[in-house]
Parts: sequence; C-alpha cells; structure tokens
Amino acid sequence: QFALTQSPSASASLGASVRLTCTLNSEYSNYAIAWHQHRPEKGPRFLMKLNGDGSHIKGDGIPDRFSGSSSGAERYLTISSLQPEDEADYYCQTWGTGTPYVFGTGTKVTVL
Amino acid sequence: EVQLLESGGGLVQPGGSLRLSCVASGFTFRSYAMSWVRQAPGKGLEWVSVISDSGTNTYYADSVKGRFTISRDISKNTLYLQLKSLRADDTAVYYCARGEAVAATHFDYWGQGTLVSVSS
Repeated sequence: QFALTQSPSASASLGASVRLTCTLNSEYSNYAIAWHQHRPEKGPRFLMKLNGDGSHIKGDGIPDRFSGSSSGAERYLTISSLQPEDEADYYCQTWGTGTPYVFGTGTKVTVL
Repeated sequence: EVQLLESGGGLVQPGGSLRLSCVASGFTFRSYAMSWVRQAPGKGLEWVSVISDSGTNTYYADSVKGRFTISRDISKNTLYLQLKSLRADDTAVYYCARGEAVAATHFDYWGQGTLVSVSS
C-alpha cells in the first residue's frame, strides 16, 4: 500500500532554518508531491508542487523562505528565517497511486 | 481572489445525515475538479472525495464509499457533499479544496472548513 512517511515533529529557533522530509515508497521514487501548510484553526494552504528532480512551483504568495528539493525517494521542504507564523503542521500529498490522493502523516513544526 | 466557503456542518446522531456546501468564487468553477478533505480530531488530513470539472466522474475514499455523495451545481458555483449513515469516526472538520488546473494533481486552494460532529 502506498504511503508517504513524515517525521511527527521538528523544531528550530526563530530566524533559523528547518528541513522537513517526506519519503515515498521506493517504487514511486520519481513521483512528484505537493506540500501544504496547516496552521491551527485555519484552512490548509498550498505551498508548492515538488518534482522528483527538485524543480518546484509555488502557490500564490508563498514567500521565498519556503523552498523544496528532492533526493531519490525523499522530498524536502526547507523553511528559512523561521517566523512565528510558520508554526504549523506540514503535509505532503501525492496522487494517482491506486487512490486518487494520499496525504503524509504530517510534521508539526515548533518555532522555539 | 479565489475563495471557498464551506457550510452545513453540525451535530448529528449516529446513522443520521447531513449535507455540506462549499460556495466558490474568484475563479471559473466549472473548469476545475473539486475535492472534499477531512481532518478528524488529533489526526491528519484524509482525502474523502473528488468530482471532475464536468461533474461526470466521481471518486471516493473506501472509508466513505456508499455513504457519501459528492455533487456540484455549476449555476450556483457550489460543491456539495451528502453524508449519510454517519458514524462516530466521521467526526471531523471537512474542507473543500480546488484541484490544480492542468491535471488536478494537487489542491491549490482550500476553504476554512466546517465541523461535523457525530454523537448521541
């Protein structure tokens, strides 16, 4: 069964950087994913579509502090210059793998 | 500005029914696939259902197949989710989301959500 694996939590100090990882099953290592941010009491927000070669297309108004990269079956989201408003849950999401859409388990980011 | 506004949530007894609505604005509604995604308390995001831009094709998560029905009214720019035979584990915030334009590979806009609570 297809799954996207994410670490449950990550933290970094205000102004620092944090890198989140989303791991695909090895047989889907070339798949693209999307990253979404979900702040408490808000609707989710699309951050970017990230391809297997590391190229990415951001959503409207997403700051340059958010960037994506890829290596093998891993997809990364890096948040630079962490701000208080970056404290949120971050989900990766893919498509077309037996079920139309699949979400990762989510990573909770804490800004120290 | 793209906006998605859900409504229709509430408290319902197990076995009951509810219809959720999502009013879309700021884009050509008939040109986009639309989905419902939910988040149960303390859990992650779970995709529920998708409807194609034309409304011809619909798909459901196994957890809701046969109980939920997705539909859309182009004239009203509104997406619906009919929920029947509700169970306690259907308790969640339900979000509507727009599919990306080219191939609906991901969701590029989301609503604020509407809470469905199933309890006796």
